Amino acid sequence: DAGVIQSPRHEVTEMGQEVTLRCKPISGHNSLFWYRQTMMRGLELLIYFNNNVPIDDSGMPEDRFSAKMPNASFSTLKIQPSEPRDSAVYFCASREDGSSYEQYFGPGTRLTVT
Amino acid sequence: SQQGEEDPQALSIQEGENATMNCSYKTSINNLQWYRQNSGRGLVHLILIRSNEREKHSGRLRVTLDTSKKSSSLLITASRAADTASYFCATDALQGAQKLVFGQGTRLTINP
Repeated sequence: DAGVIQSPRHEVTEMGQEVTLRCKPISGHNSLFWYRQTMMRGLELLIYFNNNVPIDDSGMPEDRFSAKMPNASFSTLKIQPSEPRDSAVYFCASREDGSSYEQYFGPGTRLTVT
Repeated sequence: SQQGEEDPQALSIQEGENATMNCSYKTSINNLQWYRQNSGRGLVHLILIRSNEREKHSGRLRVTLDTSKKSSSLLITASRAADTASYFCATDALQGAQKLVFGQGTRLTINP
């Protein structure tokens, strides 16, 4: 298995632009998590899905952020409009239900908003 | 509030020495996990210890858990340069075991 796949790996955009981050979880994993990592705030859980259904989005900062999981093999995190304070590394992770709760992380997308 | 907090924030030791990192948390948990993050990479799971376990070993890793003190430690024995990374503890609350809350991490540097 290729592991969790994220794209793009790097994104540089101007303030006000829409940004879409993509994630393909490991095949067979039922849960998918989106995290944001910054030096100031560490690793924060934004939202997670179970069987494609959003379960907890309490970590989503504001209405500018939205996430979807149209099927078991794909998820997107969208920021519209983007702001400089959104600059961070965004990680996607997946997990198999009934396992030891181990999460498998993707390589991350480094987002820079100028 | 943040669940897990690591101590120290940064640790620098010589190759071959042992490295100990500590984690404290605030609420009751189902299990505690340790992850490693190499620079520019995603997190990688190292080891999980359940709330009814006190100690667990995996290769050069030794993890302890004291639920009465709400704390855990990660010991890496005979450190190697390749162990240079950030180490995070992650906990899940008794309610909502799906979610993990990560600490701020310990930045470990192994000097050759």
